[in-house]
Amino acid sequence: QKEVEQNSGPLSVPEGAIASLNCTYSDRVSQSFFWYRQYSGKSPELIMSIYSNGDKEDGRFTAQLNKASQYVSLLIRDSQPSDSATYLCAVKNSGNTPLVFGKGTRLSVIA
Amino acid sequence: KAGVTQTPRYLIKTRGQQVTLSCSPISGHRSVSWYQQTPGQGLQFLFEYFSETQRNKGNFPGRFSGRQFSNSRSEMNVSTLELGDSALYLCASSLGAGVDGYTFGSGTRLTVV
Repeated sequence: QKEVEQNSGPLSVPEGAIASLNCTYSDRVSQSFFWYRQYSGKSPELIMSIYSNGDKEDGRFTAQLNKASQYVSLLIRDSQPSDSATYLCAVKNSGNTPLVFGKGTRLSVIA
Repeated sequence: KAGVTQTPRYLIKTRGQQVTLSCSPISGHRSVSWYQQTPGQGLQFLFEYFSETQRNKGNFPGRFSGRQFSNSRSEMNVSTLELGDSALYLCASSLGAGVDGYTFGSGTRLTVV
């Protein structure tokens, strides 16, 4: 059973701080890794994808991947109250396999 | 470019009834996946269709079924509804194997009473 694990939170950070969200996965052959943001009552929105070890930066967001440790993280710099949402980690193998989601981490940015 | 369109947005059904949900993917996307989201279980994979063929299936009972049409639009059907089927049903589309990620629709909120 392929699993994706996330701390459910809530993770509370003050405005302007760095929020660090973590995710581990069980399937060693996983190839593609995604972070989705879901606001309350809305559908998930893709914010980052990462495929190789290391860091990938996009604006205030940085995704980090360590395949040896089966670990992927998302850093949000200069956190804003508008970043308050649930962040979902998703993992996919190569080929025709489904995208598997963790249960999400709820982030609360306090003004 | 239009996004993923799901209809209806809200549904209220009675136990024992059946329901059909519809999903129109982004133009050019041939893969459609369905997920059930509940507060306790998170996003759980139901099935995925590509070019009218079911490519993957999650661990749900046979009451849950789906299909995809030649224009890539997809429907899912739930028969003999149970109270536990109350959830947000999300459809997501991707170009092919999904390595570039999936785009979600707004979802259908199903309430079974």
